[in-house]
Amino acid sequence: EAGVTQSPTHLIKTRGQQATLRCSPISGHTSVYWYQQALGLGLQFLLWYDEGEERNRGNFPPRFSGRQFPNYSSELNVNALELEDSALYLCASSLSPHSYNEQFFGPGTRLTVL
Amino acid sequence: QQQVKQSPQSLIVQKGGIPIINCAYENTAFDYFPWYQQFPGKGPALLIAIRPDVSEKKEGRFTISFNKSAKQFSLHIMDSQPGDSATYFCAATVSSNTGKLIFGQGTTLQVKP
Repeated sequence: EAGVTQSPTHLIKTRGQQATLRCSPISGHTSVYWYQQALGLGLQFLLWYDEGEERNRGNFPPRFSGRQFPNYSSELNVNALELEDSALYLCASSLSPHSYNEQFFGPGTRLTVL
Repeated sequence: QQQVKQSPQSLIVQKGGIPIINCAYENTAFDYFPWYQQFPGKGPALLIAIRPDVSEKKEGRFTISFNKSAKQFSLHIMDSQPGDSATYFCAATVSSNTGKLIFGQGTTLQVKP
């Protein structure tokens, strides 16, 4: 069974640009979660999508947005990039929204903002 | 109140030792506590999880101890091996469809041969 996949592996952007990160969940999983793992800050919850709808949002500015497509894949968009947006962005998926279901993580996209 | 505090930040043990990682929380609504293991260049992977109606859970060499009254939980790794060298994260969530895992800051474990 294929795991959660993310693309690209690495992304280099300059301040003010936009970044688009993509995630494909495990087959059969309907929920997709996005986390930011910045150096020294641990994993911070960004967004949760289920059945195409945004269900919950972490404490991040509106320039962090995303969507979930009918095939349950997801996209994270970061507008007006700032230097502090440099981080590893992790996508996870689960079978259903119930929190007792394990969240399976992808390998992440390393975003560097210059 | 949404924080999970994890300690120590880093830990070095000899092979066969029993590293212990501790986490504390404030939000009494948390009712699911997973531990994740992350190797360099990889995403976190679920190691073991516990609910507050259980005081201890064992899976192989990994044990979670849970103290509901103290709002603390810890991970013990028995007979640690060099292959256990990784970063470990505790987490907590409220099982009311929030979908949001609150992670501790992580502990980098090195097991020396």
